[in-house]
Amino acid sequence: EAGVTQFPSHSVIEKGQTVTLRCDPISGHDNLYWYRRVMGKEIKFLLHFVKESKQDESGMPNNRFLAERTGGTYSTLKVQPAELEDSGVYFCASSQGMAYNSPLHFGNGTRLTVT
Amino acid sequence: AQRVTQPEKLLSVFKGAPVELKCNYSYSGSPELFWYVQYSRQRLQLLLRHISRESIKGFTADLNKGETSFHLKKPFAQEEDSAMYYCALSYGRLATSGSRLTFGEGTQLTVNP
Repeated sequence: EAGVTQFPSHSVIEKGQTVTLRCDPISGHDNLYWYRRVMGKEIKFLLHFVKESKQDESGMPNNRFLAERTGGTYSTLKVQPAELEDSGVYFCASSQGMAYNSPLHFGNGTRLTVT
Repeated sequence: AQRVTQPEKLLSVFKGAPVELKCNYSYSGSPELFWYVQYSRQRLQLLLRHISRESIKGFTADLNKGETSFHLKKPFAQEEDSAMYYCALSYGRLATSGSRLTFGEGTQLTVNP
Protein backbone atom coordinates (compact mmCIF):
# COMPACT_ATOMS: atom_id res chain seq x y z
CA GLU A 1 0.00 0.00 0.00
CA ALA A 2 1.12 3.56 -0.58
CA GLY A 3 2.35 5.26 2.55
CA VAL A 4 1.59 8.70 3.88
CA THR A 5 2.87 11.28 1.44
CA GLN A 6 3.72 14.88 2.15
CA PHE A 7 4.39 17.74 -0.21
CA PRO A 8 6.64 19.61 -0.55
CA SER A 9 9.60 17.88 1.03
CA HIS A 10 11.33 21.21 1.55
CA SER A 11 10.13 24.79 1.57
CA VAL A 12 12.12 27.96 2.05
CA ILE A 13 10.12 31.15 2.45
CA GLU A 14 10.61 34.62 3.79
CA LYS A 15 9.12 35.89 6.99
CA GLY A 16 5.63 37.19 6.34
CA GLN A 17 4.92 34.89 3.41
CA THR A 18 2.38 32.12 3.28
CA VAL A 19 3.09 28.42 2.93
CA THR A 20 0.72 25.50 2.51
CA LEU A 21 1.76 21.97 3.34
CA ARG A 22 -0.13 18.99 2.06
CA CYS A 23 -0.58 15.50 3.45
CA ASP A 24 -2.15 12.49 1.78
CA PRO A 25 -2.88 9.78 4.35
CA ILE A 26 -3.04 6.06 3.74
CA SER A 27 -6.29 5.26 1.99
CA GLY A 28 -8.98 4.27 4.47
CA HIS A 29 -7.32 5.87 7.47
CA ASP A 30 -9.86 8.12 9.14
CA ASN A 31 -7.36 9.54 11.64
CA LEU A 32 -4.91 12.15 10.43
CA TYR A 33 -2.42 13.96 12.65
CA TRP A 34 -0.03 16.85 12.25
CA TYR A 35 3.13 17.08 14.34
CA ARG A 36 6.19 19.27 14.11
CA ARG A 37 9.74 19.23 15.36
CA VAL A 38 11.39 22.54 15.91
CA MET A 39 15.19 22.48 15.88
CA GLY A 40 16.56 20.82 19.00
CA LYS A 41 13.14 20.17 20.47
CA GLU A 42 10.84 17.20 20.72
CA ILE A 43 8.20 16.25 18.18
CA LYS A 44 5.06 18.07 19.23
CA PHE A 45 1.43 17.33 18.48
CA LEU A 46 -0.44 19.98 16.53
CA LEU A 47 -3.86 18.54 15.77
CA HIS A 48 -5.92 15.49 14.98
CA PHE A 49 -8.63 14.96 12.38
CA VAL A 50 -11.18 12.19 12.37
CA LYS A 51 -12.37 12.17 8.80
CA GLU A 52 -13.07 15.83 8.06
CA SER A 53 -13.64 16.90 11.67
CA LYS A 54 -11.06 18.41 13.97
CA GLN A 55 -11.00 16.10 16.97
CA ASP A 56 -8.27 17.86 18.89
CA GLU A 57 -6.49 21.04 17.86
CA SER A 58 -5.08 21.91 21.23
CA GLY A 59 -1.50 21.76 19.94
CA MET A 60 -1.89 24.47 17.32
CA PRO A 61 0.50 27.22 18.40
CA ASN A 62 -1.57 30.24 17.31
CA ASN A 63 -4.08 31.49 14.79
CA ARG A 64 -1.48 31.84 12.06
CA PHE A 65 -1.87 28.10 11.56
CA LEU A 66 -4.90 26.73 9.74
CA ALA A 67 -5.50 23.07 9.01
CA GLU A 68 -8.20 21.66 6.82
CA ARG A 69 -9.29 18.25 5.65
CA THR A 70 -12.09 18.80 3.23
CA GLY A 71 -13.87 15.62 2.27
CA GLY A 72 -11.94 13.65 4.83
CA THR A 73 -9.14 12.70 2.46
CA TYR A 74 -6.00 14.81 2.15
CA SER A 75 -5.18 17.60 4.57
CA THR A 76 -3.48 20.95 4.26
CA LEU A 77 -1.70 23.01 6.88
CA LYS A 78 -1.33 26.66 6.06
CA VAL A 79 0.94 29.07 7.88
CA GLN A 80 0.06 32.71 7.28
CA PRO A 81 2.05 34.84 7.83
CA ALA A 82 5.10 32.72 8.56
CA GLU A 83 7.48 33.71 11.35
CA LEU A 84 11.07 32.67 11.98
CA GLU A 85 10.08 30.40 14.86
CA ASP A 86 7.87 28.36 12.53
CA SER A 87 10.94 26.76 11.00
CA GLY A 88 11.11 23.04 11.58
CA VAL A 89 9.99 19.71 10.21
CA TYR A 90 6.25 19.17 9.90
CA PHE A 91 5.12 15.57 10.04
CA CYS A 92 1.82 14.12 9.04
CA ALA A 93 0.64 10.73 10.26
CA SER A 94 -2.43 8.61 9.79
CA SER A 95 -3.95 5.63 11.53
CA GLN A 96 -7.01 3.44 11.41
CA GLY A 97 -7.76 3.71 15.13
CA MET A 98 -6.76 5.87 18.03
CA ALA A 99 -3.08 6.39 18.75
CA TYR A 100 -3.09 4.28 21.88
CA ASN A 101 -3.93 1.06 20.06
CA SER A 102 -3.28 1.74 16.41
CA PRO A 103 0.20 2.53 15.12
CA LEU A 104 0.74 5.86 13.46
CA HIS A 105 2.10 5.79 9.94
CA PHE A 106 4.25 8.85 9.35
CA GLY A 107 5.10 10.70 6.20
CA ASN A 108 8.63 11.82 5.40
CA GLY A 109 7.92 15.29 6.68
CA THR A 110 8.18 18.77 5.20
CA ARG A 111 11.20 20.77 6.20
CA LEU A 112 10.14 24.40 6.46
CA THR A 113 12.72 27.15 6.66
CA VAL A 114 11.58 30.70 7.28
CA THR A 115 14.25 33.32 6.61
CA ALA B 1 0.68 17.52 32.42
CA GLN B 2 2.25 14.57 30.69
CA ARG B 3 5.92 14.59 29.85
CA VAL B 4 8.44 12.17 28.33
CA THR B 5 12.12 12.49 29.12
CA GLN B 6 14.96 10.85 27.25
CA PRO B 7 18.05 11.91 29.17
CA GLU B 8 20.57 10.94 26.51
CA LYS B 9 20.58 12.82 23.22
CA LEU B 10 23.49 10.75 21.93
CA LEU B 11 24.45 7.17 22.71
CA SER B 12 27.33 5.30 21.15
CA VAL B 13 28.10 1.62 21.62
CA PHE B 14 30.15 -1.03 19.86
CA LYS B 15 28.63 -3.82 17.83
CA GLY B 16 27.74 -6.76 20.03
CA ALA B 17 27.52 -4.70 23.19
CA PRO B 18 24.29 -4.35 25.16
CA VAL B 19 22.38 -1.15 24.68
CA GLU B 20 19.79 0.59 26.82
CA LEU B 21 17.95 3.73 25.79
CA LYS B 22 16.36 5.41 28.75
CA CYS B 23 12.86 6.82 28.87
CA ASN B 24 11.03 8.26 31.84
CA TYR B 25 7.54 9.65 31.82
CA SER B 26 5.23 11.63 34.01
CA TYR B 27 1.52 11.05 33.83
CA SER B 28 -0.93 10.46 36.59
CA GLY B 29 -3.21 8.11 34.71
CA SER B 30 -2.63 4.85 32.88
CA PRO B 31 -0.44 5.66 29.91
CA GLU B 32 0.31 3.68 26.82
CA LEU B 33 4.00 3.77 25.96
CA PHE B 34 5.68 3.36 22.60
CA TRP B 35 9.06 3.42 20.98
CA TYR B 36 9.33 4.93 17.50
CA VAL B 37 12.47 4.77 15.38
CA GLN B 38 13.75 6.78 12.44
CA TYR B 39 16.54 5.22 10.39
CA SER B 40 18.65 7.41 8.15
CA ARG B 41 16.63 8.72 5.19
CA GLN B 42 13.55 6.81 6.29
CA ARG B 43 10.33 7.88 7.89
CA LEU B 44 9.47 7.63 11.53
CA GLN B 45 7.98 4.22 12.29
CA LEU B 46 6.68 2.28 15.25
CA LEU B 47 9.21 -0.06 16.81
CA LEU B 48 7.20 -1.49 19.68
CA ARG B 49 4.51 -0.72 22.24
CA HIS B 50 4.26 -1.86 25.79
CA ILE B 51 0.73 -3.19 25.45
CA SER B 52 1.96 -5.84 23.01
CA ARG B 53 4.83 -7.02 25.21
CA GLU B 54 6.66 -8.00 22.08
CA SER B 55 10.27 -8.13 20.97
CA ILE B 56 11.03 -6.44 17.68
CA LYS B 57 14.45 -6.69 16.03
CA GLY B 58 15.76 -7.99 19.33
CA PHE B 59 14.55 -4.93 21.25
CA THR B 60 12.37 -5.15 24.33
CA ALA B 61 10.94 -2.56 26.67
CA ASP B 62 9.28 -3.08 30.02
CA LEU B 63 6.93 -0.59 31.55
CA ASN B 64 7.90 0.06 35.16
CA LYS B 65 5.10 2.02 36.74
CA GLY B 66 6.91 2.35 40.05
CA GLU B 67 9.87 4.07 38.41
CA THR B 68 7.71 5.56 35.63
CA SER B 69 10.17 4.25 33.08
CA PHE B 70 10.02 2.47 29.74
CA HIS B 71 13.63 1.79 28.85
CA LEU B 72 14.46 0.16 25.53
CA LYS B 73 16.99 -2.66 25.64
CA LYS B 74 18.85 -4.94 23.32
CA PRO B 75 21.43 -7.46 24.49
CA PHE B 76 23.63 -7.35 21.40
CA ALA B 77 23.59 -4.18 19.30
CA GLN B 78 24.02 -4.35 15.54
CA GLU B 79 25.28 -1.66 13.18
CA GLU B 80 21.88 -1.50 11.49
CA ASP B 81 20.37 -0.43 14.80
CA SER B 82 21.95 3.00 14.36
CA ALA B 83 19.03 5.42 14.24
CA MET B 84 17.09 8.05 16.16
CA TYR B 85 14.83 6.54 18.78
CA TYR B 86 11.83 8.32 20.26
CA CYS B 87 9.89 7.30 23.31
CA ALA B 88 6.24 8.36 23.20
CA LEU B 89 3.24 8.33 25.48
CA SER B 90 -0.45 8.23 24.77
CA TYR B 91 -3.13 9.02 27.28
CA GLY B 92 -4.57 5.60 26.72
CA ARG B 93 -8.24 5.12 26.29
CA LEU B 94 -9.37 8.66 27.03
CA ALA B 95 -11.93 9.65 24.46
CA THR B 96 -10.01 12.34 22.65
CA SER B 97 -6.63 12.55 24.35
CA GLY B 98 -5.91 8.94 23.54
CA SER B 99 -5.37 10.09 20.01
CA ARG B 100 -2.30 12.20 20.62
CA LEU B 101 1.26 11.15 21.30
CA THR B 102 3.67 13.03 23.51
CA PHE B 103 7.23 12.44 22.37
CA GLY B 104 10.56 12.66 24.10
CA GLU B 105 13.38 14.57 22.44
CA GLY B 106 14.90 11.43 21.03
CA THR B 107 18.18 9.55 21.42
CA GLN B 108 20.55 9.18 18.48
CA LEU B 109 22.04 5.71 18.74
CA THR B 110 25.27 4.94 16.92
CA VAL B 111 26.54 1.40 16.81
CA ASN B 112 30.20 1.31 15.88
CA PRO B 113 31.81 -1.68 14.11
